[in-house]
Amino acid sequence: QQQVKQSPQSLIVQKGGISIINCAYENTAFDYFPWYQQFPGKGPALLIAIRPDVSEKKEGRFTISFNKSAKQFSLHIMDSQPGDSATYFCAASMEGTYKYIFGTGTRLKVLA
Amino acid sequence: DGGITQSPKYLFRKEGQNVTLSCEQNLNHDAMYWYRQDPGQGLRLIYYSQIVNDFQKGDIAEGYSVSREKKESFPLTVTSAQKNPTAFYLCASSVTSNQPQHFGDGTRLSIL
Repeated sequence: QQQVKQSPQSLIVQKGGISIINCAYENTAFDYFPWYQQFPGKGPALLIAIRPDVSEKKEGRFTISFNKSAKQFSLHIMDSQPGDSATYFCAASMEGTYKYIFGTGTRLKVLA
Repeated sequence: DGGITQSPKYLFRKEGQNVTLSCEQNLNHDAMYWYRQDPGQGLRLIYYSQIVNDFQKGDIAEGYSVSREKKESFPLTVTSAQKNPTAFYLCASSVTSNQPQHFGDGTRLSIL
């Protein structure tokens, strides 16, 4: 019940296309859902995050869609660029805890 | 610039040797974390600390030890009891629980 399942494992998108990465969870007590972007040899950087009181959050080309009833959330990267090529991790946590539960990551490659 | 500094960037361990990874933050965050990252896997929590002089085991604490004597510092020791220490180690911090975690750029540990 503590798992966060992330898919796909890898993704190839043409420049200008839309990249979509999905995560699913079981524990309805989760109330914070961040997405991280990680380049090789670097630490993950917080990209965007959402709490369950909203269904969508947009920051620039990055959008999180949240479906509370389906217990799913997804990251959409609009107008994908080669510089977006990185590994993306979703995570979940709950009030009063310090632990993040991370997905296993999606390696995105955007072709020029 | 506020942030998290991990050192060294690369570290090599001999058999039977303990090694210590450094993590310093100047974000004035109360909570600090250590994660281990292996290829194709998500981040796994080793230890975390909510406040100075207090820390808790994460999911994979065996073979590791930590201390939290100062708010800004959270060193991780990889002991000889950790039989498979080769990995990328990431330190993170957050203001408090269920808040964004910010990561350093990691230390890559290898066995000689």
